[in-house]
Amino acid sequence: AQTVTQSQPEMSVQEAETVTLSCTYDTSESDYYLFWYKQPPSRQMILVIRQEAYKQQNATENRFSVNFQKAAKSFSLKISDSQLGDAAMYFCAYRSANTGNQFYFGTGTSLTVIP
Amino acid sequence: DTEVTQTPKHLVMGMTNKKSLKCEQHMGHRAMYWYKQKAKKPPELMFVYSYEKLSINESVPSRFSPECPNSSLLNLHLHALQPEDSALYLCASSRPGRDNQPQHFGDGTRLSIL
Repeated sequence: AQTVTQSQPEMSVQEAETVTLSCTYDTSESDYYLFWYKQPPSRQMILVIRQEAYKQQNATENRFSVNFQKAAKSFSLKISDSQLGDAAMYFCAYRSANTGNQFYFGTGTSLTVIP
Repeated sequence: DTEVTQTPKHLVMGMTNKKSLKCEQHMGHRAMYWYKQKAKKPPELMFVYSYEKLSINESVPSRFSPECPNSSLLNLHLHALQPEDSALYLCASSRPGRDNQPQHFGDGTRLSIL
């Protein structure tokens, strides 16, 4: 099984500032997909951003961007101009391109946004 | 709008009761999942159905019984649960196989065992 590690159980950021959440993973595969999910207290898991391992370019979605370092097996999420609505649990997830159906989740980072 | 619909949103049951959780999606996804989630923890995979067939069972106790009657519906039948089974139960769906598409999650059912 793949292992996904989020080393920051809790993070906080001032409103309008930038924060980076860390994620590392362990795999012997060369082809896979990575995702960041957000889970607010209202509980629905929502996709924030995705990255294909074969793409060198880092994915960007509005204020959210990733720093994907394939050799280092690192996939960090940067949130710019943080807003109160960004407060949530953030989970990093891995999906194999070979076995497909199983998603492996990290332990999560609880993000607090300070007004 | 939630594309994966779970009912009920909340369920309280005794240890001797039998109940079912339901999940429905109309996105044409042929992989569907049940997860158990405790507060501030990641979802724990329970079952995966691919093309309406059970493809992964993560050694879940037999008091949890999944069912996939058709490509849009997923049920989780509950019987003789224990207090430690109290949790948020999430349903998800995705395109099956080798794909860059994410899972889509429902809002979950908050289950409390008395």
